[in-house]
Amino acid sequence: GENVEQHPSTLSVQEGDSAVIKCTYSDSASNYFPWYKQELGKGPQLIIDIRSNVGEKKDQRIAVTLNKTAKHFSLHITETQPEDSAVYFCAASRRSGGYNKLIFGAGTRLAVHP
Amino acid sequence: SAVISQKPSRDICQRGTSLTIQCQVDSQVTMMFWYRQQPGQSLTLIATANQGSEATYESGFVIDKFPISRPNLTFSTLTVSNMSPEDSSIYLCSVGRLTPYNEQFFGPGTRLTVL
Repeated sequence: GENVEQHPSTLSVQEGDSAVIKCTYSDSASNYFPWYKQELGKGPQLIIDIRSNVGEKKDQRIAVTLNKTAKHFSLHITETQPEDSAVYFCAASRRSGGYNKLIFGAGTRLAVHP
Repeated sequence: SAVISQKPSRDICQRGTSLTIQCQVDSQVTMMFWYRQQPGQSLTLIATANQGSEATYESGFVIDKFPISRPNLTFSTLTVSNMSPEDSSIYLCSVGRLTPYNEQFFGPGTRLTVL
């Protein structure tokens, strides 16, 4: 089955710096790669996603890149702000049993220091 | 996206008891899922809640321990039965959109502590 590895497990940056989180997946049939942000005491929030037919997607300060050949994808946050501090999860999915099932990475705890 | 609520938001329970968690969505959805997030860990899918039929459980999860109901397209319950301290986790419901990629959106979670 699918396995998703996520690095680093913790990331500490100064406000205004960039942050990069990387994930690799094992199933070449995976076709959808969402990123979730989970703040303390809250449920995960979908912040950006990328489909397998796209190499890069950007939404304001957040961008995601996908390398299908190498089976890895990355989240890039520019001009980080203290409110970006949270745990970020990547996921990979493919069609299985009639729907796309998500397999999550272990998570990255991002701390942005003022 | 749909607004998802869960009840209770948190609870502290005694070993051997059961707790039923409710998930309510403000619009009709076809796909609903239940996840477990153990302390400091990632999310693991427990089961898919199917409306009008039995839930589909993932490997390692069984109906006797985690019975699920899905009486209609806006509501589901997950029961954690005969609890032990190892069941202390955040339990999350999510809904999937009817699109080719079934984007999922999560509720706020139920934080369960078992003593």
